[in-house]
Amino acid sequence: EVQLVESGGGLVQPGRSLRLSCAASGFIFDDYAMHWVRQAPGKGLEWVSGISWNSGGIEYADSVKGRFTISRDNAKKSLYLQMNSLRAEDTALYYCAKDITAAGSFAYFDYWGQGALVTVSS
Amino acid sequence: EIVLTQSPGTLSLSPGERAPLSCRASQRVSGNFLAWYQQKPGQAPRLLIYGASSRATGIPDRFSGSGFGTDFTLTISRLEPEDFAVYYCQQYDSSPWTFGQGTKVEMK
Repeated sequence: EVQLVESGGGLVQPGRSLRLSCAASGFIFDDYAMHWVRQAPGKGLEWVSGISWNSGGIEYADSVKGRFTISRDNAKKSLYLQMNSLRAEDTALYYCAKDITAAGSFAYFDYWGQGALVTVSS
Repeated sequence: EIVLTQSPGTLSLSPGERAPLSCRASQRVSGNFLAWYQQKPGQAPRLLIYGASSRATGIPDRFSGSGFGTDFTLTISRLEPEDFAVYYCQQYDSSPWTFGQGTKVEMK
């Protein structure tokens, strides 16, 4: 059974940093690209970032480019999102999602975690 | 960036009725690289349709997808109580990968 478990969320002040993690199990992690997708309270879905199986292909939404960094550790079957210079508008539930492809030409998401809540407020 | 516009914003229907949900793209989505997801309150999204018309594993055949180019439709042929939820379309033709704003299917 595929499982994606996010951790690392919490309350953080504007301008500070936070690192999210996603632990994967139930599939061959290094065979697939992975993504972060977020959802602000009461709002829709927003794709944040994606990374290919070998980290050779990385993409970001314009809203986070230069502030967020996606990475992965295939040996640990884990995905990460380093979030710097956080803003109030980054407040959201952050989902880890598995792509159906391996390479840099990303596609759609067949499995999602339950999300990690990030609240940016003073 | 491909902008996806879903309509209507809310669909009020009764169980057993047919639900047509629209997703219109600001530019052509090549290869029919469009997916649909269902999200229930407090839950993560669930993949329903990919490639505009292919059902994901385990999805009942009352869910069907159609369309090409810029106009796509998700149809639920006969609504079951568990189908009342929010539905999102997503394009994976080009970066950034974008979602529609969602259509809420609520019980009348």
